[in-house]
Amino acid sequence: DAGVIQSPRHEVTEMGQEVTLRCKPISGHDYLFWYRQTMMRGLELLIYFNNNVPIDDSGMPEDRFSAKMPNASFSTLKIQPSEPRDSAVYFCASSLGGGGNNEQFFGPGTRLTVL
Amino acid sequence: SQQGEEDPQALSIQEGENATMNCSYKTSINNLQWYRQNSGRGLVHLILIRSNEREKHSGRLRVTLDTSKKSSSLLITASRAADTASYFCAFNDMRFGAGTRLTVKP
Repeated sequence: DAGVIQSPRHEVTEMGQEVTLRCKPISGHDYLFWYRQTMMRGLELLIYFNNNVPIDDSGMPEDRFSAKMPNASFSTLKIQPSEPRDSAVYFCASSLGGGGNNEQFFGPGTRLTVL
Repeated sequence: SQQGEEDPQALSIQEGENATMNCSYKTSINNLQWYRQNSGRGLVHLILIRSNEREKHSGRLRVTLDTSKKSSSLLITASRAADTASYFCAFNDMRFGAGTRLTVKP
């Protein structure tokens, strides 16, 4: 397996633009997590899915952020409109099982810069 | 919130020395995991210790868990420059703390 795949790896956009980040989890994994990492706030859990259903989105900062998982092999994190404070590295991770009982596999991340 | 707090925030040692970092938590746990993050990369799983285990080894890594004190420690023996990274603990719903930044000087 190629591991968790994220695209794009780097994204530079201007304030107000829509940004869509993509993630392909490891085949067979039933949990998918989106994280955001910045120097100021560290690694924050934004949302996670189980069997394509959002379970906990309490970490999503505001309505400008939305995440979907239309099928078991694809998820998106959308920011609309983007703001400079959204600049961060966004990680996607997947695992077989949840509750901290199983290893998470992380993607390489998407480095987002909002000008 | 269900996230661990790693301590110390930063640790600098010489190659060959041992490095110990700690994780404290407030809730009950099923398991506790340790992860490593090299600069700019995704986290990599190191080891998982179950709540009924007290100690676990993996190569140069030794993890202990004290559920009565709600704490865990990660020991890296005979450290190498390549061990330079940030180390995080996580459990339950997989929220991460600020991590410990380890620097191993050659």
